[in-house]
Amino acid sequence: DGGITQSPKYLFRKEGQNVTLSCEQNLNHDAMYWYRQDPGQGLRLIYYSQIVNDFQKGDIAEGYSVSREKKESFPLTVTSAQKNPTAFYLCASSTLSGAFEQFFGPGTRLTVL
Amino acid sequence: LAKTTQPISMDSYEGQEVNITCSHNNIATNDYITWYQQFPSQGPRFIIQGYKTKVTNEVASLFIPADRKSSTLSLPRVSLSDTAVYYCLVGDRMDTGRRALTFGSGTRLQVQP
Repeated sequence: DGGITQSPKYLFRKEGQNVTLSCEQNLNHDAMYWYRQDPGQGLRLIYYSQIVNDFQKGDIAEGYSVSREKKESFPLTVTSAQKNPTAFYLCASSTLSGAFEQFFGPGTRLTVL
Repeated sequence: LAKTTQPISMDSYEGQEVNITCSHNNIATNDYITWYQQFPSQGPRFIIQGYKTKVTNEVASLFIPADRKSSTLSLPRVSLSDTAVYYCLVGDRMDTGRRALTFGSGTRLQVQP
């Protein structure tokens, strides 16, 4: 089945540690995105990538880093510089034309202990 | 990106029609209107998109008046499973420079039995 997978579903981190969230898609989409969602809030864009080996900062990129070495993969690293990392993280992908339809993964819930 | 305004929450009963209105006074000529649905602890799911007049698919209808400064998502005969948060988004479908979406806080729909 085509879709987006994220792992792990739940992640616990100690303060001061970096942690990497995985996102993989087999939809052959060019664009991939990372969003953060806090309780009761909408989604905020962290980073996005439209092509391999290129990515752009979103609205809240500080304390995060990404890579896009393969079309299918767009991992997100939450660094120790991110002040309030506890949140629900969503990865999405889309084509670069046509409808504004983004396909979302199931999300990773990160908790900093 | 055009700012959108939606009601924070709405209540309905099973079998009723629900209309959620979104205001987007600063919508630009090339902007499309898109609606997403999100269940708790899941990623948003695309519902419908339109540019003007009326669009209908198997789950919803989207009504857009001639001035395009607002839009209404119509859900016919809602069921308990339609309880979710609904997001209205406005964006330029042709803007390949940034196809990432800006999500507001959405409208929390609660369907009662």
